[in-house]
Amino acid sequence: ELKVEQNPLFLSMQEGKNYTIYCNYSTTSDRLYWYRQDPGKSLESLFVLLSNGAVKQEGRLMASLDTKARLSTLHITAAVHDLSATYFCAVVGSDYKLSFGAGTTVTVRA
Amino acid sequence: DAEITQSPRHKITETGRQVTLACHQTWNHNNMFWYRQDLGHGLRLIHYSYGVQDTNKGEVSDGYSVSRSNTEDLPLTLESAASSQTSVYFCASSREPWEDTQYFGPGTRLTVL
Repeated sequence: ELKVEQNPLFLSMQEGKNYTIYCNYSTTSDRLYWYRQDPGKSLESLFVLLSNGAVKQEGRLMASLDTKARLSTLHITAAVHDLSATYFCAVVGSDYKLSFGAGTTVTVRA
Repeated sequence: DAEITQSPRHKITETGRQVTLACHQTWNHNNMFWYRQDLGHGLRLIHYSYGVQDTNKGEVSDGYSVSRSNTEDLPLTLESAASSQTSVYFCASSREPWEDTQYFGPGTRLTVL
């Protein structure tokens, strides 16, 4: 059974500083997604990573995938208040189903 | 613009009642999914469909059923609602099943008393 672990689960960021969210998964996969969810809202796709070494960037967010280490990172550069949300990673397992991590709740403070 | 909608957005029901949650997408996607979201669990897959007349069980399918009679709709039915099924339910669709972005609906908050 595929297990997906995110850490930290809660992250208090200071504006202007850099932070990283980690997503570890337990079985081989080369397909990983990052989603953002604002409180009370639906999920919004951020990145789709489909191969080892894939790196994608959008604004202050950069995601990467290391399939050998079974690890993806979501790096936040110079945090701003608008980035406050919950971030989920999700991994496609060998059974071709998407398994989600528990989410990382990010709060950006001045 | 293409979209995915869910109804109702909020529902309160009683234990033992049958409840159906609607999901409608205009993306013309073959693939549709139902998830539930509970605190501390992220999202968990309930059922999914690769196309008309196709349905498959996900991780937490007990007590739920789906049917797919057309491309646009995948209703989720709780046969006999239980308090453990109080949750937020999200429907999603995608062009490719597990290699493409899944587009999520706005969610339905279900409370079973």
